[in-house]
Amino acid sequence: RKEVEQDPGPFNVPEGATVAFNCTYSNSASQSFFWYRQDCRKEPKLLMSVYSSGNEDGRFTAQLNRASQYISLLIRDSKLSDSATYLCVVNSITFNKFYFGSGTKLNVKP
Amino acid sequence: NAGVTQTPKFRVLKTGQSMTLLCAQDMNHEYMYWYRQDPGMGLRLIHYSVGEGTTAKGEVPDGYNVSRLKKQNFLLGLESAAPSQTSVYFCASRAAGGKTEAFFGQGTRLTVV
Repeated sequence: RKEVEQDPGPFNVPEGATVAFNCTYSNSASQSFFWYRQDCRKEPKLLMSVYSSGNEDGRFTAQLNRASQYISLLIRDSKLSDSATYLCVVNSITFNKFYFGSGTKLNVKP
Repeated sequence: NAGVTQTPKFRVLKTGQSMTLLCAQDMNHEYMYWYRQDPGMGLRLIHYSVGEGTTAKGEVPDGYNVSRLKKQNFLLGLESAAPSQTSVYFCASRAAGGKTEAFFGQGTRLTVV
């Protein structure tokens, strides 16, 4: 079983739409969680960390559900520039392994 | 601000050849990682290091070796390259602590023919 699983998409949405991605993780000892963004053929970059109480950064909201072992990312008012692949990342402090999901591709269309 | 630098950026190898990929970071980070990324597979952890002189296996370590003789450098070696090792390789580093962000190099595109 993979450490982190994501729906690969693609999600094709019009500008202005709200879109949500989920990600599940298998290790209940996982301690920290992140969403990264990766543009085509580029390196991943941090979008936001995910805190236990949930957190928001502008149009982006991240949620963590430890009981069900999933995290989510909500993007409101989608922009063309949001088109990218979104990677879910889970870290186990015990082992310091930084595991990535396979990514969810988002295409925002005019 | 260099951050994380990978060398080389592109390489074509013949089956059976060896090579070393270099990752250098100037942020004094404790942890360093090597990943490979294949289409539809996301990033898979090859090896990682939690400090100078230490290394550990990740999800897909077979066919690769690593060394961390200096804190700022993390080397990934392919002793006998195989076509299955054709991939994009990313190096990352992060500060010690469970909630710290990872910073990535720009990637090395390796083709084994």
